[in-house]
Amino acid sequence: AQSVAQPEDQVNVAEGNPLTVKCTYSVSGNPYLFWYVQYPNRGLQFLLKYITGDNLVKGSYGFEAEFNKSQTSFHLKKPSALVSDSALYFCAVRDDYKLSFGAGTTVTVRA
Amino acid sequence: GAVVSQHPSRVICKSGTSVKIECRSLDFQATTMFWYRQFPKKSLMLMATSNEGSKATYEQGVEKDKFLINHASLTLSTLTVTSAHPEDSSFYICSASRMGSMLVNTEAFFGQGTRLTVV
Repeated sequence: AQSVAQPEDQVNVAEGNPLTVKCTYSVSGNPYLFWYVQYPNRGLQFLLKYITGDNLVKGSYGFEAEFNKSQTSFHLKKPSALVSDSALYFCAVRDDYKLSFGAGTTVTVRA
Repeated sequence: GAVVSQHPSRVICKSGTSVKIECRSLDFQATTMFWYRQFPKKSLMLMATSNEGSKATYEQGVEKDKFLINHASLTLSTLTVTSAHPEDSSFYICSASRMGSMLVNTEAFFGQGTRLTVV
């Protein structure tokens, strides 16, 4: 089965600083990777996906992610974090017709 | 992106009663919808896959008689929690993909979730 892991439960950064949320994957075959964000008491919002092509994927709200095959990673990044980026972030991988989610990383951006 | 609407956003019910949660795809047709359960500060646990016009596929350990799923049309799936108990209190989220697009490169769209509290 395909799976992803998010090694950090929490990430804390100051506003204006770079933000990185880590994700590693374990798949057989080509990985189809996704990042979602969840605000309190809300559903998940799609940020970006990697299917094929350029290793650097740009998504919504200024986020981007870098696919690294040798390190089996798909880290989410934002050059300059905002307080409003504080949320729960999920990495996911397509597993047959389903999505398999990581445990989630809570991001707190302090003013 | 596509819009998936989930209703109600919050519900409180008495122990022993049943609660129905609706999931609608507003601007696209979805042959398949998914129901998840999320515990506080935890990841999403897939409960079942809802298929239009056929029986839902439940994940291992999920009681199909307790969590009834109906997918009567291409835009609506419902989850009914029957004989609810306090341990059923949770955040339930649905998602859907576009009809004919159950391709691996297609992102899923999520409803806003339903906070169920059983007292």
